[in-house]
Amino acid sequence: DADVTQTPRNRITKTGKRIMLECSQTKGHDRMYWYRQDPGLGLRLIYYSFDVKDINKGEISDGYSVSRQAQAKFSLSLESAIPNQTALYFCATSDLTSGGAYNEQFFGPGTRLTVL
Amino acid sequence: EDQVTQSPEALRLQEGESSSLNCSYTVSGLRGLFWYRQDPGKGPEFLFTLYSAGEEKEKERLKATLTKKESFLHITAPKPEDSATYLCAVQAGGAGSYQLTFGKGTKLSVIP
Repeated sequence: DADVTQTPRNRITKTGKRIMLECSQTKGHDRMYWYRQDPGLGLRLIYYSFDVKDINKGEISDGYSVSRQAQAKFSLSLESAIPNQTALYFCATSDLTSGGAYNEQFFGPGTRLTVL
Repeated sequence: EDQVTQSPEALRLQEGESSSLNCSYTVSGLRGLFWYRQDPGKGPEFLFTLYSAGEEKEKERLKATLTKKESFLHITAPKPEDSATYLCAVQAGGAGSYQLTFGKGTKLSVIP
């Protein structure tokens, strides 16, 4: 089974609709992240969370909100979807090594969201 | 502002033809440089982490190196299954800075 799962994998919706993307992980990592990927723009950070009580805005948080329901679950919401939010969305997790170095992030399979 | 530039944008190689991908960066205090592989329709897959200039890491046909301004991903005798987009990312900044800044990637195609 995959360590980081995302649901749904594909979603088509209409402008103005509320959408929730969900992420679950079995890696036991404390840190979780939401990114979007657009052709020609690369991966950009939307929100990140270091634990259930800690939520931080990333580079492009406007129009998005998140909820960290448990250590293993991190959801991303689009309150009122608009066409320029059409993109690939990835969830990622990471942990801090015992030596204090910053560790790599592990990505889920992605959700392809289309807003008409 | 942290910047990561990858070149070339796309690279076509014949099977067995070795080459290198470049990742140049401008950051304030590098904490780590990461290489990922991404196949179409999938999430990025972690390959390497490099922390300091002079460091090298190897995995099968791939070797990553790091200097103070750039990183190279060397591909030796590539095979068609090495075809993918390779992403570079940096983690930089002071204490409490955990964000990754990604480059736009190099799309590698290995022709049989």
